[in-house]
Amino acid sequence: DSGVTQTPKHLITATGQRVTLRCSPRSGDLSVYWYQQSLDQGLQFLIQYYNGEERAKGNILERFSAQQFPDLHSELNLSSLELGDSALYFCASSVERVVTTDTQYFGPGTRLTVL
Amino acid sequence: GESVGLHLPTLSVQEGDNSIINCAYSNSASDYFIWYKQESGKGPQFIIDIRSNMDKRQGQRVTVLLNKTVKHLSLQIAATQPGDSAVYFCAEASNSGYALNFGKGTSLLVTP
Repeated sequence: DSGVTQTPKHLITATGQRVTLRCSPRSGDLSVYWYQQSLDQGLQFLIQYYNGEERAKGNILERFSAQQFPDLHSELNLSSLELGDSALYFCASSVERVVTTDTQYFGPGTRLTVL
Repeated sequence: GESVGLHLPTLSVQEGDNSIINCAYSNSASDYFIWYKQESGKGPQFIIDIRSNMDKRQGQRVTVLLNKTVKHLSLQIAATQPGDSAVYFCAEASNSGYALNFGKGTSLLVTP
């Protein structure tokens, strides 16, 4: 158990809908990273938050957004869902904001299925 | 574009043998390299990391080797056990970067 929690574990929804994925980082970690894992693209970095502020963006679609709250938990919002958004979504956390300084620990993921 | 890739998508080894998983990277500015293990239905689990000022680092039953000249990274698992069966990812980052860049993964299957 990495100490990172994610809810829900599974999510099934329809095209055009909006969903929210939640992540609680390890105690003491200030950075939260979101990744998407699909069969053909592997693990792709989406976005990073550090202590409530957005720090870096990767291959995140405009339909997707995220935020980190004062208690450091984070939410990833996916809207206008398409079939191609079906994937595993992972959250990772670390103490520092610099990716080469500190290890990222991953949560168990949320499996999103868009029908 | 720059990428991290794996030489072998699948690797089958017998229990008790040593396993070697390879990874090539293309970003010469990479400073930090990590190996993750992902079991079915779980998130990636940190195994071992190495920084660019090192050539080798050992952990419990695992060793990571870094060859910066040819931009190659390998993970050696000693006395492979059935519990080692999983997908293994290498990832890299540079000090000027902001995220881990993951390879596609290698599936390791340990047979009795």
